[in-house]
Amino acid sequence: DVKVTQSSRYLVKRTGEKVFLECVQDMDHENMFWYRQDPGLGLRLIYFSYDVKMKEKGDIPEGYSVSREKKERFSLILESASTNQTSMYLCASSLLGQGARQPQHFGDGTRLSIL
Amino acid sequence: EDQVTQSPEALRLQEGESSSLNCSYTVSGLRGLFWYRQDPGKGPEFLFTLYSAGEEKEKERLKATLTKKESFLHITAPKPEDSATYLCAVQSDRGSTLGRLYFGRGTQLTVWP
Repeated sequence: DVKVTQSSRYLVKRTGEKVFLECVQDMDHENMFWYRQDPGLGLRLIYFSYDVKMKEKGDIPEGYSVSREKKERFSLILESASTNQTSMYLCASSLLGQGARQPQHFGDGTRLSIL
Repeated sequence: EDQVTQSPEALRLQEGESSSLNCSYTVSGLRGLFWYRQDPGKGPEFLFTLYSAGEEKEKERLKATLTKKESFLHITAPKPEDSATYLCAVQSDRGSTLGRLYFGRGTQLTVWP
């Protein structure tokens, strides 16, 4: 089974802090994704990556950056955390092959609170 | 712009009362439609992929079907453990080379005994 592991289930940080969210997958997937999920807004894509050191902006990249130094690891960085970044953050991965018609597999999320 | 709309937003069923969830989509060339289940405080769990109109997939009490404009998730004789939020997502030609999915906002299903 695919396993996507997010380093923290719950995280509390202060406004202005630099925050790192880590995600590791064990299935040699090329694609990795970061979403945030808020009540009434659904899943919104922040950034994704299809290869090491490659990244693409999603729909809401402002205030975030990402890092992918190794194939299995994808980090989301909040450069200067703000209260409106309080949310559930979900990481996912998928295979790139077969015309890219592959499901994404998700971790269990990090519930981040910015005070 | 690609869009995915799920209805209803919330559905309450009595145990054993069958029903259907709807996912309608407008995309520029559908490459795949995906159904997920999400329990509170957890990440979405993959259920099915449908690739072409007329296709059907089944898993226990769930059956997913696909037409050119929408997909249905049929739940037959549901049990309380089927309570969850069900998410629909599509992959279109526009994002196909990078595996990007476009998600609906989900249907929150509650099955009471």
